[in-house]
This record gives sequence, structure tokens and C-alpha cells, in this order.
Amino acid sequence: SAVISQKPSRDICQRGTSLTIQCQVDSQVTMMFWYRQQPGQSLTLIATANQGSEATYESGFVIDKFPISRPNLTFSTLTVSNLSPEDSSIYLCSAVTANTEAFFGQGTRLTVV
Amino acid sequence: GENVEQHPSTLSVQEGDSAVIKCTYSDSASNYFPWYKQELGKRPQLIIDIRSNVGEKKDQRIAVTLNKTAKHFSLHITETQPEDSAVYFCAARGIQGAQKLVFGQGTRLTINP
Repeated sequence: SAVISQKPSRDICQRGTSLTIQCQVDSQVTMMFWYRQQPGQSLTLIATANQGSEATYESGFVIDKFPISRPNLTFSTLTVSNLSPEDSSIYLCSAVTANTEAFFGQGTRLTVV
Repeated sequence: GENVEQHPSTLSVQEGDSAVIKCTYSDSASNYFPWYKQELGKRPQLIIDIRSNVGEKKDQRIAVTLNKTAKHFSLHITETQPEDSAVYFCAARGIQGAQKLVFGQGTRLTINP
């Protein structure tokens, strides 16, 4: 299994600002992803973080709002830009290992005020 | 794309009884089906998974069955214990889509002592 460290664990941000979330994996992984989880809801995929190239976004998510970087195999960041109260949610990074199992970071609880 | 439906949304069972959660998927090319347990405020944890080349997999009190023809898979928990109380998510991954997981809506399982 892979150990994923995600930070910050929570933050309260003013509307109009941005929050950058970091995700570090302790071993090489094949794929990294970013999910959003609204309270009491399921996980919705935001994008696939591609190493050294632009992320692949799911329908309804755009790069200007959710810029993602993945400079190497074990590190990725997600920025949530121009925050509004609707962005209040839990954001989770995920990594897939060579045996295709997917693991999650501990999540970032974002509150926009 | 893939769509995963999960039922029931809530399930309450007496301690010691069995619990069954069912999921259906739409993409016949999907070949990997994990189950995650998420306790309140925690990250989703992989508890068991099954690949399309087998019909059943067991791990102590937990088992998963897969019916490829009907495109559904189920999680079975026997001899339930209070610590089994959590939200459970099924997911499916196809051969396309760069190993991304599509999640069901989740089942809130409550074990009554």
C-alpha cells in the first residue's frame, strides 16, 4: 500500500481567494487523482493529475478554477481558485499503485466564508 | 462513460446479523471493482476488491461477489459488529479512462447493539 500525506487538513478561506492543497505519496505510483466530496455525498472526480503535463479534467471542472500540477511521480497540488461558498467541501487526492489499488489522502476540509 | 448505482442508501442491522450492499455498473468493459469504508471524518479505506476474472472473493467476515453478465456486484458482511458502522462506497474502473474510479452513491450502515 501507499501512504499519502495531504495538507492542509482543513482551512477557512475568504471568498475570492485561492487555496492550494498538496499531496505527497511515499512511493512511486502510476496515477494520481483529485476528488471532491460534498458533506454526506459520494466522491466526484475532478481531474487526473498527469506528470509533467496538463491535467485531464472531468465534465463540469475547468483548469481555470482547479489548476493542478504534478511535477513528479509522487507529488501533486490542487488549487481551488476564486473561492465562493459553493466550493466549501472536502477535497481528496488519490494515488493508484502498480497493482492498481487506489488509496486516498486524509482529505482537506475547505470552508469558504 | 461508466455509471455506478448503489443500494440501499441506508442500512440498519442488528449486531451479529449480515449486511448486503449491492451495486450495478453500466460499462461492460469495467474490470476492477473495489469497496471502500469511510468512517466519519476519515479518508475512504479500501476493504476489499475484485477483478473481472473471478466471481467471488473473501477476507474474513467480508466477501464480494461479481456477476459480469448482469453487471452487478455485492458486498457481504457477516457477523456484523458495532465497528462496522460506517459509509461504504462501491466503485468500478474500466479499461479506458486512465484507471479512474467511478463511485456509487454510498451506503450508510448502522449496526445496532
